[in-house]
Amino acid sequence: QKEVEQDPGPLSVPEGAIVSLNCTYSNSAFQYFMWYRQYSRKGPELLMYTYSSGNKEDGRFTAQVDKSSKYISLFIRDSQPSDSATYLCAVRVRGGTSYGKLTFGQGTILTVHP
Amino acid sequence: DGGITQSPKYLFRKEGQNVTLSCEQNLNHDAMYWYRQDPGQGLRLIYYSQIVNDFQKGDIAEGYSVSREKKESFPLTVTSAQKNPTAFYLCATSGGRAITSTDTQYFGPGTRLTVL
Repeated sequence: QKEVEQDPGPLSVPEGAIVSLNCTYSNSAFQYFMWYRQYSRKGPELLMYTYSSGNKEDGRFTAQVDKSSKYISLFIRDSQPSDSATYLCAVRVRGGTSYGKLTFGQGTILTVHP
Repeated sequence: DGGITQSPKYLFRKEGQNVTLSCEQNLNHDAMYWYRQDPGQGLRLIYYSQIVNDFQKGDIAEGYSVSREKKESFPLTVTSAQKNPTAFYLCATSGGRAITSTDTQYFGPGTRLTVL
């Protein structure tokens, strides 16, 4: 079993739709949670970073963490064609010998069509 | 991409050859990482370095080697021992130590390696 599971999609939605992207993880030692966006043939860019259960909002993006269920989500409101990309969730333990190491999900390919 | 540069952008290698991928950063970050990305898979960690002259193996280090002689540079060599080297290689950096709870990683633009 992978430490982080993410549905690779692909996911196709019409412009303006609400998009829900999800990951589950198996290790309760993971304390920090990130979402990256990766355009084709580019490096990932950090979208959201959170370390507590609950919601964190940034513009059209909302990251949600449920540590009791080991479930993380990213919601995109009013989706735009420019949101078309691969979205990667990533988790990290706090400090210790695994400092800095991120464990990634497979990535979900999202297409928003006009 | 910020202050992280990777070169070359595209690289072609013949079987049996070693190649070195460059990663340079001007962010003054302590830690640097190398990942490999294959279609349909997430990023997998090859090597990482928390400080100059020190580095650790990641999850898939076999067939790769690194050095960290300068804070700004973390080159990755793909050796002939790596049986399936065709992939997208990503370098990342992070700035702080373990006590910095907001530390996270920033990625370069990547190098696409193809073995002919």
